[in-house]
Formats: sequence, C-alpha cells, structure tokens
Amino acid sequence: GNSVTQMEGPVTLSEEAFLTINCTYTATGYPSLFWYVQYPGEGLQLLLKATKADDKGSNKGFEATYRKETTSFHLEKGSVQVSDSAVYFCALNSNFGNEKLTFGTGTRLTIIP
Amino acid sequence: KAGVTQTPRYLIKTRGQQVTLSCSPISGHRSVSWYQQTPGQGLQFLFEYFSETQRNKGNFPGRFSGRQFSNSRSEMNVSTLELGDSALYLCASSAKPGQLNNEQFFGPGTRLTVL
Repeated sequence: GNSVTQMEGPVTLSEEAFLTINCTYTATGYPSLFWYVQYPGEGLQLLLKATKADDKGSNKGFEATYRKETTSFHLEKGSVQVSDSAVYFCALNSNFGNEKLTFGTGTRLTIIP
Repeated sequence: KAGVTQTPRYLIKTRGQQVTLSCSPISGHRSVSWYQQTPGQGLQFLFEYFSETQRNKGNFPGRFSGRQFSNSRSEMNVSTLELGDSALYLCASSAKPGQLNNEQFFGPGTRLTVL
C-alpha cells in the first residue's frame, strides 16, 4: 500500500535559518504529493503541491520538488520566520479516483527569534 | 466564501456512549472526507463521500460510520465509544474529486475526549 515517511521532529531553528524537512514515499502509479501545515488549535492548510514528476510546488517561500527517481518530496525554505512555527505534514494521493490522502507522521517546527 | 465548518468544536463523552459529528463543506463542494488525528497514529483516513455515496473507506471498525446528505453536509457517528477514540476528527471537502488539480480544504476539527 501507499506510505509516507517523514523526517522525525521536533526541529528547532533560529530565525533566518535554512529549513529542510525530508519526505519520501511509496506508492504505485503516479501519485500527487502535498505539504500541509497545521498551526496550533487549527485544521490543516495546504501549503503546496505537485502532481507529476519534476514539478516544483511553491508557496510563501516554501518549495518542494517531486523527484520520482528518489521517490522524494523534501520541503525547503531559505529563511524561516517565527511565524513558520507549526507542524508540517507530507501527504500523497494515489489518484485512483478517490480523495484519500496518506499522511506522514508530521514534523513539529519551532523557530526561535 | 465560508470555509469548511465542523460542529461541535469540542466534545466530552464517556465510554460506551455514542457521538455524532457534523461537517458542512464549502458551498459547491460535493466530496467530503473524514480523518482521525491522534498523537500515536497520526492522521488516518476514515471515509469519503461523494453525492451521498461512500466512495472509499479506511481501516476502522464498524463502530465508525458516516453519511452524506443531499446538500453535501456530512455526519460521522461513533458508537460504543472507547478511550482510544479520543482524537481530533477532521473533515475535508473538495470541488473536483478525482482531478489532478483538485484541492482538499480542511475544517478546524472536532476535539473528542472520551472519559
């Protein structure tokens, strides 16, 4: 079945540091890949997505590239801010005609001023 | 446009009781999915409804059930509650299920505590 393996947290960085959160996946076919963010006390918000190999998703300074050869979708940001503190989830949809998302375990990110 | 709304936001029940959670999707969205979020198991898919039909179901016991109404609102029910059912239950809706550019929008969740 499908699975997503995500970098264990928590991750603590200083403001303006470079961020990488690793994500690898196992899936049949050609899944779509997503990064969701969850702020304290809230639901999930879609951060970025990519639907085919070599696509780069980007939003709010975050980027991730769909690498089929390494089955990876690592999240990066060049300069993090305190407001980026949240839990980040990598997810995939198998595109087999349903909306089921398979999530990674989540990575808690804390940015200190 | 209003987002996905879930009611109630917080709920406390005791073991053996049953509970019903409600989700109102974004206007025009016909697909609704439910997820359970716990510290131990993370985010797990419960089921998906589209046009009042369950299209997909996760690996949960039969105590977990759901339905969707003609206005696309959805409810999920958990019977004979167990301590392990304590979780954040998230609902998501989408407009173009099955399409590559489809996006799912999540509600704020219902926090269920079973005592």
